[in-house]
Amino acid sequence: AQRVTQPEKLLSVFKGAPVELKCNYSYSGSPELFWYVQYSRQRLQLLLRHISRESIKGFTADLNKGETSFHLKKPFAQEEDSAMYYCALSGQGAQKLVFGQGTRLTINP
Amino acid sequence: GAVVSQHPSWVICKSGTSVKIECRSLDFQATTMFWYRQFPKQSLMLMATSNEGSKATYEQGVEKDKFLINHASLTLSTLTVTSAHPEDSSFYICSASAGQGFSYTFGSGTRLTVV
Repeated sequence: AQRVTQPEKLLSVFKGAPVELKCNYSYSGSPELFWYVQYSRQRLQLLLRHISRESIKGFTADLNKGETSFHLKKPFAQEEDSAMYYCALSGQGAQKLVFGQGTRLTINP
Repeated sequence: GAVVSQHPSWVICKSGTSVKIECRSLDFQATTMFWYRQFPKQSLMLMATSNEGSKATYEQGVEKDKFLINHASLTLSTLTVTSAHPEDSSFYICSASAGQGFSYTFGSGTRLTVV
């Protein structure tokens, strides 16, 4: 079974401070991990996926298979980063995307 | 980039009636489409996965006779909520993928209110 856990429902940091949104997963095979972002009144958008190994809007995430984690990080938070962030997992071959509970990130000025 | 159009964006219907929600991939062929339900302040819950030309695969606990999914073409999937009741009121979101290895693109969602 696929399971994604985001332990923090709410996270609040000051502008310029580092941000880390936690994501842990459970899957017996080789997972594909994603981070999606949802800004106020907008649809879900792909932020990044682990196979791309990209940095989008200053965010990075590294898949740690030993700890079954895919934490999202940004060294210096900006006010426009305030949004809802979802970690998601797709299993090998199954394709379906399962989401974590989401973390609402608020960046204080 | 890939775009998914979902209509209507909101709908109000009377209890006992049926409502159809459409999900279209505008610039790519979606071999697989997914339907999610999102309750207020909660995450997206996968309802079903549909592959073009095949019957949808429903997640455990989702009534397939109540939530009818049709994926008749590579660009269109529909979700029909049959005999809607107030507890079906929710935000429904579709997602489309061109296949394994491709990204998932989301629609803007449909807010259904059953009165």
